[in-house]
Amino acid sequence: DAMVIQNPRYQVTQFGKPVTLSCSQTLNHNVMYWYQQKSSQAPKLLFHYYDKDFNNEADTPDNFQSRRPNTSFCFLDIRSPGLGDAAMYLCATSRGGTYNQETQYFGPGTRLLVL
Amino acid sequence: GIQVEQSPPDLILQEGANSTLRCNFSDSVNNLQWFHQNPWGQLINLFYIPSGTKQNGRLSATTVATERYSLLYISSSQTTDSGVYFCAVADSNYQLIWGAGTKLIIKP
Repeated sequence: DAMVIQNPRYQVTQFGKPVTLSCSQTLNHNVMYWYQQKSSQAPKLLFHYYDKDFNNEADTPDNFQSRRPNTSFCFLDIRSPGLGDAAMYLCATSRGGTYNQETQYFGPGTRLLVL
Repeated sequence: GIQVEQSPPDLILQEGANSTLRCNFSDSVNNLQWFHQNPWGQLINLFYIPSGTKQNGRLSATTVATERYSLLYISSSQTTDSGVYFCAVADSNYQLIWGAGTKLIIKP
């Protein structure tokens, strides 16, 4: 089945220790998104890629970086995690036609704990 | 920017009951989606419905774009329907604007 896969599902890191979360997709979608979701809140968009074109949300902290080496994979790097970065991180994809008019498909998420 | 409001914020029902969740938005939109987030965090797209009515099994959704609201109907609720239901819209931009969600608890 075509899907969006995230690894790991749970990640524990130490305060200030860099961490990388990964996302892969078998849908062959052009657009990939990273969201941060904190408890009892709606997801918050951090960045998205249209193919290799990177788009950073204005309020995304500099501590967060992203890479998309190819169509299938996208990575979220948190350079120096703080306690406030503990959250669920969701990866999503969309086909990439008129992409504000498209369904987004989500992975299962990675829950990050910062000690 | 567009505002999205969902109601009710919380809903507790017995298994077998029907429910209606509402999403109001403040401006015209090109994209409206309903999502279900299960207790383990997985977000599942239920409907892409900028206008009209769609049905999928026990779930259906109606969007009246001219009146800027959408309704999600759940019939014969099951415990697996528990979770948070989000409505999200996009205007001319790419970004989805999310409502705060409706937390649904179905009791056996």
